Amino acid sequence: AQKITQTQPGMFVQEKEAVTLDCTYDTSDPSYGLFWYKQPSSGEMIFLIYQGSYDQQNATEGRYSLNFQKARKSANLVISASQLGDSAMYFCAMRERSNTGNQFYFGTGTSLTVIP
Amino acid sequence: DTEVTQTPKHLVMGMTNKKSLKCEQHMGHRAMYWYKQKAKKPPELMFVYSYEKLSINESVPSRFSPECPNSSLLNLHLHALQPEDSALYLCASSQDLRRGGAYNEQFFGPGTRLTVL
Repeated sequence: AQKITQTQPGMFVQEKEAVTLDCTYDTSDPSYGLFWYKQPSSGEMIFLIYQGSYDQQNATEGRYSLNFQKARKSANLVISASQLGDSAMYFCAMRERSNTGNQFYFGTGTSLTVIP
Repeated sequence: DTEVTQTPKHLVMGMTNKKSLKCEQHMGHRAMYWYKQKAKKPPELMFVYSYEKLSINESVPSRFSPECPNSSLLNLHLHALQPEDSALYLCASSQDLRRGGAYNEQFFGPGTRLTVL
C-alpha cells in the first residue's frame, strides 16, 4: 500500500482564491509526523507546515493551514488567498518510526498553477 | 543558520568522468540524506547517514558512492554514470534519525542539476 497518496496531479486556482490540496496517508505507527513541502521550478524543496500525530489542533503557518483528520488519515493543505508565486509542485510527506530509525515518505505531488 | 548548501548548482559530465557533489549544514543535525529526483516526480531516497555512519542504502548502484567525512559534510562521488542518472540531486538534513515522536523536519538544500552526456 502507498504510504502517502496525493490524488490530484494538477490543480488550478484563481489568484486570491483558496485552494485545498489533498493528502492521505497510511501508517500503523502511533507517533508520526506529516509535512508539506513546496518545490518551485528552481528545484529547492521549501518546508511549509508540520502536523504531529498527537497535535490536537490543526497546524497553521501564515496563509497555509493543514486540515488534519486523523480518523480518516487525511492531511490536506489549504492555501488561502493564492498568489502567483504559489505556482509550484507541492509534496505531502510523512515521517514514521522503523527499526532503522525514522523513515520519510513522499507523495507523488500536486502541480498547482495560480491563474491571474 | 538554517541552511543546507550544495555545490555545484549544475554539473555536466561524460560517462567516463569522476565527479563529486557536496553538501554542508551547520545546524548540528546528525542525520543527512541524498535524494534523486526526476522532473515532476517525488524525491527518491538514495542514502541516509546517521551520526556519520551509513544507515540506509536504498539499493543504489555502486557508481554512486556516498561519504560523510564529518557531521556537517556529506559527499556523493560519481563515477561511470549513465545518461539515465541525469536528475536533480537533493541533500537534506534532520535533527536525529533516531528520535521518534518529534518534529524532525528535513531541511533541503537547493540541489545539484546533473546532466550525464
